[in-house]
Amino acid sequence: DIQMTQSPSSLSASVGDRVTITCRASHNINSYLNWYQQKPGQAPKLLIYAASSLLSGVPSRFSGGGYGTDFTVTISSLQPEDFATYYCQQGHSTPLTFGGGTKVEIK
Amino acid sequence: EAQLLESGGGLVQPGGSLRLSCAASGFSFSSFAMSWVRQAPGRGLEWVSSITGSGGGTYYADSVKGRFTISRDNPKNTLYLQMNSLGAEDTAVYYCAKEDDGYGGNVFDFWGQGILVAVSS
Repeated sequence: DIQMTQSPSSLSASVGDRVTITCRASHNINSYLNWYQQKPGQAPKLLIYAASSLLSGVPSRFSGGGYGTDFTVTISSLQPEDFATYYCQQGHSTPLTFGGGTKVEIK
Repeated sequence: EAQLLESGGGLVQPGGSLRLSCAASGFSFSSFAMSWVRQAPGRGLEWVSSITGSGGGTYYADSVKGRFTISRDNPKNTLYLQMNSLGAEDTAVYYCAKEDDGYGGNVFDFWGQGILVAVSS
């Protein structure tokens, strides 16, 4: 099974800050890495697929990168609506696995 | 616009069974694989099971293999999850999710609102 490790597990930041979340896969997953945003009481929403492609409608302040085993998602200027939990997910092979999540909180 | 609406959740005793349903609309249901993903209270996301568009291929997490069965009725645009021998560890919000391999690999591009399954005596 491919293990996905996210860091940090939580962070505190201010509006306007640049924030980067890291996701590491235990095996090479090429670019089959997706990022989701989940707000309290809501279902997750797809933000980024194939490591770096933004889903239509996702603000351009979000960006993704990486290949193989190491990936990042960056929010260039944190907005109030971005405070949420972010999950990475490998779409390379079953069992499909998620990272443990990164909770982005208001400082 | 795609819509996914889960139903069938609730409180069940340990060892009991429950069947979840997910009614889909707004997209060509039979053209896409579908999955169930769960989230225990205060915890992260866990993939449970997937089924191909035709229903001919099914996949399970080890934690549910042999106890859960995923199926679909394409004419009815409905996805199911039959859950047997439930234990406390199965307590979670269960999400129905549409997969789209057009993005590259297995991508959950749309999710239902989730349904709570609570296993307790």
